[in-house]
Amino acid sequence: QQQVKQSPQSLIVQKGGIPIINCAYENTAFDYFPWYQQFPGKGPALLIAIRPDVSEKKEGRFTISFNKSAKQFSLHIMDSQPGDSATYFCAARRWDTGRRALTFGSGTRLQVQP
Amino acid sequence: DVKVTQSSRYLVKRTGEKVFLECVQDMDHENMFWYRQDPGLGLRLIYFSYDVKMKEKGDIPEGYSVSREKKERFSLILESASTNQTSMYLCASTALGGLSGNTIYFGEGSWLTVV
Repeated sequence: QQQVKQSPQSLIVQKGGIPIINCAYENTAFDYFPWYQQFPGKGPALLIAIRPDVSEKKEGRFTISFNKSAKQFSLHIMDSQPGDSATYFCAARRWDTGRRALTFGSGTRLQVQP
Repeated sequence: DVKVTQSSRYLVKRTGEKVFLECVQDMDHENMFWYRQDPGLGLRLIYFSYDVKMKEKGDIPEGYSVSREKKERFSLILESASTNQTSMYLCASTALGGLSGNTIYFGEGSWLTVV
């Protein structure tokens, strides 16, 4: 049972394009939604995160859009660069258990072509 | 900077062997985790620990056990390795609460091949 569904599985864009990665969740107990970026041979690293009390958050070229009623959130990368080529994971965490473990999506492999 | 260190990056083990994966964090974090990463499946939680000698099963604990004797160290144990446990294993840690408790820090992963 996949609690966080991520799409697409892979994505190729040209430099300067705006890749969009989408995630959907089912559990309304989730209260924290981060995105992690992973380069080959490295562990994932936190990129940006959002709480459900806001609909959008921007950090540099990265934006999370959050739709609470649809239970969906997405990552937009503005003016994408070849250095953004990586695997991106969305994730979610429940508030009600105190459990700080994250539930991850299946990942999106992004390739930004020069 | 937070550092989560996985001592073994690449291992090849035989079916039936007992395997230990070690992880150390240097930020005095209360919570530590073991995830498994497989293509198309993302990261799946095996076990986590919220204190010394405390552990809780994650989503896929079968075939694994863990040990946390010291706060900074969290070990994953495969009692009898099987080929379907060939994967990349990621250790992670985070603080107990507050804003700093939101960020989970990962190690660089341990690639395990079971033959």
